Amino acid sequence: AQSVSQHNHHVILSEAASLELGCNYSYGGTVNLFWYVQYPGQHLQLLLKYFSGDPLVKGIKGFEAEFIKSKFSFNLRKPSVQWSDTAEYFCAVAPSGTASKLTFGTGTRLQVTL
Amino acid sequence: DVKVTQSSRYLVKRTGEKVFLECVQDMDHENMFWYRQDPGLGLRLIYFSYDVKMKEKGDIPEGYSVSREKKERFSLILESASTNQTSMYLCASSEMTGPDTQYFGPGTRLTVL
Repeated sequence: AQSVSQHNHHVILSEAASLELGCNYSYGGTVNLFWYVQYPGQHLQLLLKYFSGDPLVKGIKGFEAEFIKSKFSFNLRKPSVQWSDTAEYFCAVAPSGTASKLTFGTGTRLQVTL
Repeated sequence: DVKVTQSSRYLVKRTGEKVFLECVQDMDHENMFWYRQDPGLGLRLIYFSYDVKMKEKGDIPEGYSVSREKKERFSLILESASTNQTSMYLCASSEMTGPDTQYFGPGTRLTVL
């Protein structure tokens, strides 16, 4: 079975700082990778996803993530965060070809201060 | 846009009560899921269904059951609620074929007293 580790549980940044949230997964085969975001009081929504091809994927609101197969990692990045990026971020993995049974990490709470 | 709705945003029940959580999606998705979300534990899959009347256990099915009589509706049932089932419950849906994204509902915060 697959597993996902998010190393940062709570991150506090000032506006305009750069962001990198770590995500590592454990699975022996090909995977699909996702980052979801949950803004305060809102439902979980997709930020970006990787299925195949270019390992650098771009998502909404200026976020990007890089799949490094050799490191089993899918870290989320943003060059300059905004106060509105305050949210909880979840990394998720699913074995390729399965009926979208996702395994989620424990989440990283990002707090952006003015 | 895909819309996933859940019957209640907040629910308070007593220990031993039977609890029904309802989820409806409007995009004709084959797959539907129930998760619980707890601080520090992320989302954990309770049950999922890939077709009407079909269900499979997720990672934490104990104490729960599900029902899918119609394609658009997926119900989570707590036969006898316990305090350790106090949690946020999230429903999601996705298409069957190809790389697929799960679409989530707003969640039901259940408190069992």
